Amino acid sequence: GENVEQHPSTLSVQEGDSAVIKCTYSDSASNYFPWYKQELGKRPQLIIDIRSNVGEKKDQRIAVTLNKTAKHFSLHITETQPEDSAVYFCAASRGNFGNEKLTFGTGTRLTIIP
Amino acid sequence: DAGVTQSPTHLIKTRGQQVTLRCSPKSGHDTVSWYQQALGQGPQFIFQYYEEEERQRGNFPDRFSGHQFPNYSSELNVNALLLGDSALYLCASSFGLAAPEQFFGPGTRLTVL
Repeated sequence: GENVEQHPSTLSVQEGDSAVIKCTYSDSASNYFPWYKQELGKRPQLIIDIRSNVGEKKDQRIAVTLNKTAKHFSLHITETQPEDSAVYFCAASRGNFGNEKLTFGTGTRLTIIP
Repeated sequence: DAGVTQSPTHLIKTRGQQVTLRCSPKSGHDTVSWYQQALGQGPQFIFQYYEEEERQRGNFPDRFSGHQFPNYSSELNVNALLLGDSALYLCASSFGLAAPEQFFGPGTRLTVL
């Protein structure tokens, strides 16, 4: 089955600097890669996603890149702010539809230092 | 437009008991997936319901079962509770045949003593 590895497990950056979180996946059939942000005691919130026919996607300060050949994808947060502090999870699934299971990474605890 | 809702918020049970958790999907969604999130870990897929049938199942024992109702809401049942079943149980809803995005509910925190 699919295995998703995520690094680093913890990350501290100065406010205003950039943060990068990396994930690798094992199943070459995976073609959908979402990122979730989970604040303490809250639900995982979908913040950005990318499909395998796209190499990069950007939404304001957040961007995701995908390298299908190397089977890895990354989350980039620029101009970090205190409210970016949370645990971030990457995930992968095989489908282009909502009826495919998500396999999650182990999470990255991001701390923004004011 | 209501998002995904779950009940109860918290639950405390003892070993050997049975528990039922409930989920109502986001308006317009027809697929419900259940995940278990242990402390400090990523969510682990339990199973998924679409058209009132279990479509996929993760690596969880038969003590975990579920149901989907005609209004697309869903229940997760866990029998013979073990200490290791203590976790946050999340449900996620999606529109099965339209798009891959899954949206999570707030979860039910289950504590087994």
